[in-house]
Amino acid sequence: EVQLVQSGAEVKEPGESVKISCKGSGYGFTSYWIAWVRHMPGKGLEWMGIIYPADSHTRYSPSFQGQVTISADKSISTAYLQWTSLKASDTAIYYCARAYSNVDWFDPWGQGTLVTVSS
Amino acid sequence: AIQLTQFPSSLSASVGDRVTITCRASQGISSALAWYQQRPGKAPKFLIYDASSLASGVPSRFSGSGSGTDFTLTISSLQPEDFATYFCQHFTNHPLTFGGGTKVEIK
Repeated sequence: EVQLVQSGAEVKEPGESVKISCKGSGYGFTSYWIAWVRHMPGKGLEWMGIIYPADSHTRYSPSFQGQVTISADKSISTAYLQWTSLKASDTAIYYCARAYSNVDWFDPWGQGTLVTVSS
Repeated sequence: AIQLTQFPSSLSASVGDRVTITCRASQGISSALAWYQQRPGKAPKFLIYDASSLASGVPSRFSGSGSGTDFTLTISSLQPEDFATYFCQHFTNHPLTFGGGTKVEIK
């Protein structure tokens, strides 16, 4: 079964850093792209960026360029999304999702990671 | 960036009803559109790609149509498990974007 399993919820204070993960299984991890999508409370979905784990080629949405870093470790079939200085406005559920190319639909999705930023 | 506008933003319907959701793109995207279902507290589930092709395992009561700028998702006979929020997404170029969502509620 193709699966993406994400790391658990995080509660952080403004200014802190965090790195969340997304582990793929049941398929060739280096043959597909992994995207990250933000879902803020009561809002729609926002595509943040995408990475090709085979060579770590990454594309970012202009809205998120410079705000987050997407990376991957193909040796453990895991992609990451990290922040160096969180803001309260980063509070959201973050999903990873698999894609055949960097301009494509997403299937499947991870279960989501809730990141809460509050003082 | 291409903007996707969904309407209605919410609707109330009964089991057995036919439901249609619209997604309008700010510019032509050919058939590069996907649809997802998201139940409360769950991750989005992939339903349709290339505007009208059903993903594997998706019930045949779901269908998609359209090309260019106007697209529809239709549920032919609403089932209890279909009460959820539905999103469209284009995959023409970067940045990829999603519609604002349509919440289907029980009447």
